Amino acid sequence: DTGVSQDPRHKITKRGQNVTFRCDPISEHNRLYWYRQTLGQGPEFLTYFQNEAQLEKSRLLSDRFSAERPKGSFSTLEIQRTEQGDSAMYLCASSPPSGRAPGELFFGEGSRLTVL
Amino acid sequence: AQTVTQSQPEMSVQEAETVTLSCTYDTSENNYYLFWYKQPPSRQMILVIRQEAYKQQNATENRFSVNFQKAAKSFSLKISDSQLGDTAMYFCASPPPGAGSYQLTFGKGTKLSVIP
Repeated sequence: DTGVSQDPRHKITKRGQNVTFRCDPISEHNRLYWYRQTLGQGPEFLTYFQNEAQLEKSRLLSDRFSAERPKGSFSTLEIQRTEQGDSAMYLCASSPPSGRAPGELFFGEGSRLTVL
Repeated sequence: AQTVTQSQPEMSVQEAETVTLSCTYDTSENNYYLFWYKQPPSRQMILVIRQEAYKQQNATENRFSVNFQKAAKSFSLKISDSQLGDTAMYFCASPPPGAGSYQLTFGKGTKLSVIP
């Protein structure tokens, strides 16, 4: 399968713990995005990478959230000191280089976080 | 403030019939894309159709077409000959006003059920 893969698919944690999600984009895609989706809502933009550079961050991304894409390939999203309000589906998407943006986003299946 | 509005939380349609999902948006971009994404139950989000704002002709992809009215900032999706596999959440997406070029704002979605 050469689509966007995310790991883990499900994570249950206790409040105050740290969690990390990994995203492997489609190999030739240089753009990578993280979105968060809560029940009954559409995805909300969190952050965007072009290659290894983090070019955009949402105000939703508090200081407890950090995202990296060290070699311009896979990305990680870490949430420190989790809160119950962090419970959501975390979606990763990637897109290929193009002259005009944004083009089509290719989404992974998501990582569902439950904070107890 | 919400910049993409989908006013129909849920809709249903008989198999083989036609259904239209509505979307209005707000953007300050001069040229932009608009998207409809489909999220089947427990599966990843996939692109259904996209429209470039500078193109007057409405986009069509097989049974899916859009009615794009730029001045009214309206972007509705028409599904013809509905099939059971069309059952899903449908999200309209556009770049938000004043944001970076690589963000997309999604609406809250319309849950479409195709009835046999």
